[in-house]
Amino acid sequence: AQSVTQLGSHVSVSEGALVLLRCNYSSSVPPYLFWYVQYPNQGLQLLLKYTSAATLVKGINGFEAEFKKSETSFHLTKPSAHMSDAAEYFCAVSDRGSGNTGKLIFGQGTTLQVKP
Amino acid sequence: DTAVSQTPKYLVTQMGNDKSIKCEQNLGHDTMYWYKQDSKKFLKIMFSYNNKELIINETVPNRFSPKSPDKAHLNLHINSLELGDSAVYFCASSEGDGRKVAFFGQGTRLTVV
Repeated sequence: AQSVTQLGSHVSVSEGALVLLRCNYSSSVPPYLFWYVQYPNQGLQLLLKYTSAATLVKGINGFEAEFKKSETSFHLTKPSAHMSDAAEYFCAVSDRGSGNTGKLIFGQGTTLQVKP
Repeated sequence: DTAVSQTPKYLVTQMGNDKSIKCEQNLGHDTMYWYKQDSKKFLKIMFSYNNKELIINETVPNRFSPKSPDKAHLNLHINSLELGDSAVYFCASSEGDGRKVAFFGQGTRLTVV
């Protein structure tokens, strides 16, 4: 069965510093990969997704992620944190292949705190 | 226009009551989902419907009954509410393909007292 692990339930960075949120998946076949962000009391919003051969994916708000098959990872980065980036971040996977339903399996989430 | 809308946003009710949460999407998607987010913010799928047909039921207690009157609506009815049902429930929709993005509603915070 597929699973997703986000290392670090809480990450704290200073404003302007690099943001690195880690995500590893466990699947015999590389799945489709997504990063979602959840602001307080809101729903989930897509940041970016990996579904094709391009391993470096750029998303909204300056975020990007790199798919590394050899490491089964899909870490999320942003060169310079902004106060407005403080939120909960979720890595998620979805099956490839016929019969997939679009069901998402989520990691545990990482709370990003940005200090002034 | 809101793509995926849920009502109500907040729901406080007593144990043993029956309640419903409604969800509507105007994206023309064929597939809709219910996810549950627990107090530790962990998200897990509960149900999925494709064109009004149930395709995923993730070992959810049968007190939870989804209903899809048409492909734009997926409601969640919960009977005999228990304290452990307190959570945030998210509705989502997509084109039902793993590559496609799922769009989420704002969530319904259910508190059972």
